[in-house]
Amino acid sequence: SAVISQKPSRDICQRGTSLTIQCQVDSQVTMMFWYRQQPGQSLTLIATANQGSEATYESGFVIDKFPISRPNLTFSTLTVSNMSPEDSSIYLCSVEKGTGGEGYTFGSGTRLTVV
Amino acid sequence: GQQLNQSPQSMFIQEGEDVSMNCTSSSIFNTWLWYKQEPGEGPVLLIALYKAGELTSNGRLTAQFGITRKDSFLNISASIPSDVGIYFCAGRSGSRLTFGEGTQLTVNP
Repeated sequence: SAVISQKPSRDICQRGTSLTIQCQVDSQVTMMFWYRQQPGQSLTLIATANQGSEATYESGFVIDKFPISRPNLTFSTLTVSNMSPEDSSIYLCSVEKGTGGEGYTFGSGTRLTVV
Repeated sequence: GQQLNQSPQSMFIQEGEDVSMNCTSSSIFNTWLWYKQEPGEGPVLLIALYKAGELTSNGRLTAQFGITRKDSFLNISASIPSDVGIYFCAGRSGSRLTFGEGTQLTVNP
């Protein structure tokens, strides 16, 4: 399975500002995924990012709020724009390497607090 | 959209006890996954199930993929304090994962 480095691990941000989260993978992967985990909740898929094309967003998530970049097969960024306290969550990057379920790996997450 | 119902929400047990948790879905999945998440970390895969009826073990963990493909359970035998964490089921359809709400496990020594 792949090894994922996600930065920053945590941040405290002022409302109205934006934060960009980076996800670096140790090997090339086709698909990268961004999840949100609200306090005490499960993981919800925000979007799927493929290299060379626009990200595909899930219902309830829009590109203006969560722009994603995928410049190559080992890197992606997620920006949380114009933040409000409701955006306080853990944001997780995930990749799928291989076709089996074992190929699904998660980063350690970015714990975001908006004040 | 697809929904997974995971139960129980939380469990408080004594060290040495066995634990069971399960997930049910309104939809069919072609893969069921069980993850454990500890504080400050992302989910870590415990067991992957690929076929209806499949029963798979990983040490003290045993999981089964339901015959209807709409449910799965995870058993932990002889629990130890380091089993503490949140356990999530996830159903895989295509490349998308849908997660259950999680089971918070507390093990008292």
